Amino acid sequence: DTAVSQTPKYLVTQMGNDKSIKCEQNLGHDTMYWYKQDSKKFLKIMFSYNNKELIINETVPNRFSPKSPDKAHLNLHINSLELGDSAVYFCASSLGTEAFFGQGTRLTVV
Amino acid sequence: GIQVEQSPPDLILQEGANSTLRCNFSDSVNNLQWFHQNPWGQLINLFYIPSGTKQNGRLSATTVATERYSLLYISSSQTTDSGVYFCAVEDGNKLVFGAGTILRVKS
Repeated sequence: DTAVSQTPKYLVTQMGNDKSIKCEQNLGHDTMYWYKQDSKKFLKIMFSYNNKELIINETVPNRFSPKSPDKAHLNLHINSLELGDSAVYFCASSLGTEAFFGQGTRLTVV
Repeated sequence: GIQVEQSPPDLILQEGANSTLRCNFSDSVNNLQWFHQNPWGQLINLFYIPSGTKQNGRLSATTVATERYSLLYISSSQTTDSGVYFCAVEDGNKLVFGAGTILRVKS
């Protein structure tokens, strides 16, 4: 029973396309996150939602739009994909203390 | 914001050897976690350790919050320990990650 699950695991798409990554957690956590891991393995926060409300937006281009339909889901929609968006995107959740991460989505823009 | 520095950046071990990874942070924190990113890319929780010492099998961790550092000990290393080890601290509702330590264990 996966605690934080995200789909798809791999995504290859052309420049200019729009794509979505879905995330669901079954831990009963109230806070969910999106992190981006670049080619040098550096992990950085993108967004944080608490009880469906956006609380952190770390200077991410507005082509990236998170949506939280309920506390258990946080999806990431990306418009007009660019080559520089290629990275691994991780969803995570927490209940104020320990955070748990999904398996990651490797996005490749060609 | 809080700065997190990890050392060493790279480490190569012979199977069976012990090692210590270090994480320094620039301000007091309420949350510190250690993660292992395996060769398949999964981020695996190792320890939630804002202070004190914890042990889990061959791994243990110690955080000295007053001196702003944490240590991860790996004993009797195995090839399956290879990967990247990250330290992350909480800074205002988000985790700030260090750059990681790349560990390679040779058989």
